[in-house]
Amino acid sequence: DTGVSQNPRHKITKRGQNVTFRCDPISEHNRLYWYRQTLGQGPEFLTYFQNEAQLEKSRLLSDRFSAERPKGSFSTLEIQRTEQGDSAMYLCASSLRQGMGEQYFGPGTRLTVT
Amino acid sequence: AQSVTQLGSHVSVSEGALVLLRCNYSSSVPPYLFWYVQYPNQGLQLLLKYTTGATLVKGINGFEAEFKKSETSFHLTKPSAHMSDAAEYFCAVDTNAGKSTFGDGTTLTVKP
Repeated sequence: DTGVSQNPRHKITKRGQNVTFRCDPISEHNRLYWYRQTLGQGPEFLTYFQNEAQLEKSRLLSDRFSAERPKGSFSTLEIQRTEQGDSAMYLCASSLRQGMGEQYFGPGTRLTVT
Repeated sequence: AQSVTQLGSHVSVSEGALVLLRCNYSSSVPPYLFWYVQYPNQGLQLLLKYTTGATLVKGINGFEAEFKKSETSFHLTKPSAHMSDAAEYFCAVDTNAGKSTFGDGTTLTVKP
């Protein structure tokens, strides 16, 4: 299967710890997106890449959050000094073309900060 | 700025009944519109999309949606609900800026 994959699927961490999530997009897709989803809400945009370039970051993405996409392939999202408010599902998506190309979502990483 | 409003966070229908999930959007430019479905503990899966051309679009699993510019709406319908349709549904708008704005979702319950 060549869909979007995310690891880990679940992460439980203590407040103040750092966590890193990985996303592997569909191989030929040049755009990669990160979203955050909390219970009862739709995905909220965090950031996106075109190839290795990070083109936009949401104001939701505080300085504790950083994302990278080295070589335009997989991407990592790191959260430093986690807070309980960071508990959410983190979704990754990729697309082939801007705008008209629908996004293909991974299964998400559920983060619980205790 | 763009936004999406999904009227009704929960919709319940009987098996075999019509499904109607409402979505209204705001956008300063012609939008691209999407409906996604999400099953528990899974990512979102595209049901259908409108980009240009025919305003009535058909998607997977018997769903369809009609883009009505005058009403800024993109409601999702299915003539006959099936138990397997029970899930959460999200409407999204993309104004060719590269990212989508999602509504808060509608949970569809199908009663036997």
